[in-house]
Formats: sequence, C-alpha cells, structure tokens
Amino acid sequence: AQKITQTQPGMFVQEKEAVTLDCTYDTSDQSYGLFWYKQPSSGEMIFLIYQGSYDEQNATEGRYSLNFQKARKSANLVISASQLGDSAMYFCAMRESSYSGAGSYQLTFGKGTKLSVIP
Amino acid sequence: NAGVTQTPKFRVLKTGQSMTLLCAQDMNHEYMYWYRQDPGMGLRLIHYSVGEGTTAKGEVPDGYNVSRLKKQNFLLGLESAAPSQTSVYFCASSSNLGPRPNQPQHFGDGTRLSIL
Repeated sequence: AQKITQTQPGMFVQEKEAVTLDCTYDTSDQSYGLFWYKQPSSGEMIFLIYQGSYDEQNATEGRYSLNFQKARKSANLVISASQLGDSAMYFCAMRESSYSGAGSYQLTFGKGTKLSVIP
Repeated sequence: NAGVTQTPKFRVLKTGQSMTLLCAQDMNHEYMYWYRQDPGMGLRLIHYSVGEGTTAKGEVPDGYNVSRLKKQNFLLGLESAAPSQTSVYFCASSSNLGPRPNQPQHFGDGTRLSIL
C-alpha cells in the first residue's frame, strides 16, 4: 500500500482564489511528520510547511496552511489567494519515527499534484 | 547562502560509463540523502548518510554507490551507467532528528542525468 497518496494529478485554480491539495497517508507510528514541498518548473524543491503528529494546531506559514485530520490520516495543503507564481508541482511527504532501517530518516513522497493558476 | 549545492547540473553519459555526482552542504547538517525523481514516481531514496563515514541503503540502491568522507560532502557514484538510471537526482540534507521528526530536508537544485 502506498504510504502517501495524492489523488489529484492536476488542479486548476483562478488567481486570487483558494485551493486545497489533498494528501492522505498511511503509518502505524504514533510520532511522525508531514511535509509539503513545492517544485516549480525550474526544478528545485522548496520546503513549504510542516505538521507534526502531536501538534494540536494546524500549521500555517503565510498563505499556506495545513488542514490536518489525524483520525482520517489526511494532511491537505490549503493555499489562499493563489498567485501565478504558485503554479508548480506540489509534493506531500512523510517522515516516520520508527528507528529501524531507513524509516526514521527518509522522506516518503507522494506522486505530486500539478497546480496551474489561471489569470 | 549556498545551502545544498549539486554538481554537475546536467550530464549525458553512454551506457557503461561511470561518473560521480557531488553534493556539498554548508549548514553543518548531520544527515544527507540522495533521491532520484522519475516522471509520475515522486522522489525515491537511493542512499543516505547519518554522519561522516557512514552510509546506508534506501529504497532503490541498486547500481549506485555513495561515500561520505567529509561531513559536508556526499558523493553518488554510478559505476556502469544504464539507461534505466536516466533521471533527475536530488541531494538533500537535514539536521539531527531528535525525538521528533520535525526537521525539514533541504534540497539541492538537482542533476539531470541522461544515459544513452
């Protein structure tokens, strides 16, 4: 089973509107972290936001917020007031805490969602 | 701030050739990683290192070797390149995990490698 699932291969949003990018995850760990990265067409990976499994409040970073629903194992990224520069691939990733093998070190990535912002 | 620097940015190889990708970080991070990114696959971990002189296999290690002789550098080697290794390679680093997995990984700009 996939550990990170991003069900939206592509999304369109009108400029200045809000958009939600979906991410569901699968883990048996109690302590884990969820990350979102942005990859513009230039190719670099840009860290956007982090949510810890024990964090009581949803993470926010400027126009980015994370809708974290632990019971549903979902960590959706919300981008408010979309801008043309938000057009990019967005990846959800998870780091688990189990100290065995690569589990505690690697990020497991979803396949990404391509967001296109329409003027 | 340089952050994570990868060299080269682009390379074309013939099948059977060897090469080394260099990753350098100036953030004094303990952990370093090599990923590959293929269309529709997201990023997959090749090898990682938790400190100078130590390396370990990730999800897709076959056909690659790594070395971490200095804390700031992490080398990825292809001994005999194959067309299946055509990909974009990313290096990343992160600070000590601690009790909670909250340290983001910082990525280089990637190396686009084509094997003919």
